Amino acid sequence: KNEVEQSPQNLTAQEGEFITINCSYSVGISALHWLQQHPGGGIVSLFMLSSGKKKHGRLIATINIQEKHSSLHITASHPRDSAVYICAVSDMDSNYQLIWGAGTKLIIKP
Amino acid sequence: DVKVTQSSRYLVKRTGEKVFLECVQDMDHENMFWYRQDPGLGLRLIYFSYDVKMKEKGDIPEGYSVSREKKERFSLILESASTNQTSMYLCASSFLNVGYEQYFGPGTRLTVT
Repeated sequence: KNEVEQSPQNLTAQEGEFITINCSYSVGISALHWLQQHPGGGIVSLFMLSSGKKKHGRLIATINIQEKHSSLHITASHPRDSAVYICAVSDMDSNYQLIWGAGTKLIIKP
Repeated sequence: DVKVTQSSRYLVKRTGEKVFLECVQDMDHENMFWYRQDPGLGLRLIYFSYDVKMKEKGDIPEGYSVSREKKERFSLILESASTNQTSMYLCASSFLNVGYEQYFGPGTRLTVT
């Protein structure tokens, strides 16, 4: 069983829809990261959080430490949001490494 | 702005060749990482370094080596390239203790024929 699991693996939606991507983990963490990768592009960090909720523009990330679960929401989705969204956790027992989810491929159709 | 650069965006090499991939960061980060990314497998850590001349194996170090002679530069070496090393290679860097947020380079797509 992977230590970080994302769902869904693939998601296709219409422009304007509210999007939710989920991440569950099984290890103790010091922080959880959400990252974005556009086709052919590098990876960009969106959020790093250890509790509660963070918001940046139309993106919202939440984390429930007790349930070991995080969600990434996109409001009023747009075709430019089409990308792979990756969840990763900083393992409490490791000073350096992140444990990576497999990613969720999101396609927003106009 | 943090900048992580990689020496090539695309590279084509022949089986058996020695391949060097170079990564440079300009933020004085202590940590540097090399990953490979394959469809369906996500990001897998090859090697990382937390200081000059220091290195630690990641999850898939076989067939690779690394060099960190200067703080800003981290090189990945494929001693004898094989077709199963065809992949996207991503370099990242981070501060040692600032929540471990990693900053990524644009990636090198390596094809070994």
